[in-house]
Amino acid sequence: QLQLQESGPGLVKPSETLSLTCTVSGGSISSSSYYWGWIRQPPGKGLEWIGSIYYSGSTYYNPSLKSRVTISVDTSKNQFSLKLSSVTAADTAVYYCARRAVAPRWFDPWGQGTLVTVSS
Amino acid sequence: AIQMTQSPSSLSASVGDRVTITCRASQGIRNDLGWYQQKPGKAPKLLIYAASSLQSGVPSRFSGSGSGTDFTLTISSLQPEDFATYYCLQDYNYPITFGPGTKVDIK
Repeated sequence: QLQLQESGPGLVKPSETLSLTCTVSGGSISSSSYYWGWIRQPPGKGLEWIGSIYYSGSTYYNPSLKSRVTISVDTSKNQFSLKLSSVTAADTAVYYCARRAVAPRWFDPWGQGTLVTVSS
Repeated sequence: AIQMTQSPSSLSASVGDRVTITCRASQGIRNDLGWYQQKPGKAPKLLIYAASSLQSGVPSRFSGSGSGTDFTLTISSLQPEDFATYYCLQDYNYPITFGPGTKVDIK
C-alpha cells in the first residue's frame, strides 16, 4: 500500500526558505503513471495547489507562487521536495504531499500533512 | 485560472437525509473533476474522480455527476461518519484549483 510522509521544520522565520520532503513508501516514485504534488491549507481555510512534478523532473507550479517555489525529485531516495522562499505569515499552513494520477486524474493517497508556522 | 465555486457553503442535515452539493467551473473542464472529503485534522480523501467514478473502497451512497461546467456530489443517505467538509477540484488544466468547500454538519 502506497504511503506518503511529509517531513521538515515546523517553524520557519519570515523571509527564510521553507523546505519540506515527501518520502514515498510501498511504491516507486519513478512510475510513468503518476505525478507528485504539494497542496497546502492555511488554518481554518481551503486547499491550494502549490505544484506538481513528474519523475523525469518536469514541473508545474501555481502562478501565484511560481516565483518562490521549487519542487524537485530524488528517484534514488524515492522522495520529492518543496522549497518556498521568502516566506511570510501568509505561508503558515498545513502542507500535504500527494500522488496525482496522469489519467484519469486524481490525487490519492495523501500524506498526513505537516503544519509549518512562519514566525520569528 | 479556472475558478471553482461550490454551493451551499455549509448545510445542516440529519442522518438518513439525501444531500446534494453543487460545484461550478468558470469554464468547461470536460469531466476532469474530483470530489474530496476532509475531516478535522485529517488529510483530504478522494471520493469521486472523473466527475462520476467512485474511488475504490468508497461507499456506494456517494455519487457524482456532471460534465462541462456543472457538477454535483450526492450522498444518498447521510451517515454519522459523513459529517465533514467536501471540496471539488478541477484537474483540466493548470493551475489546478479547488472549490472553497462545503461543510456538512449535524442538524
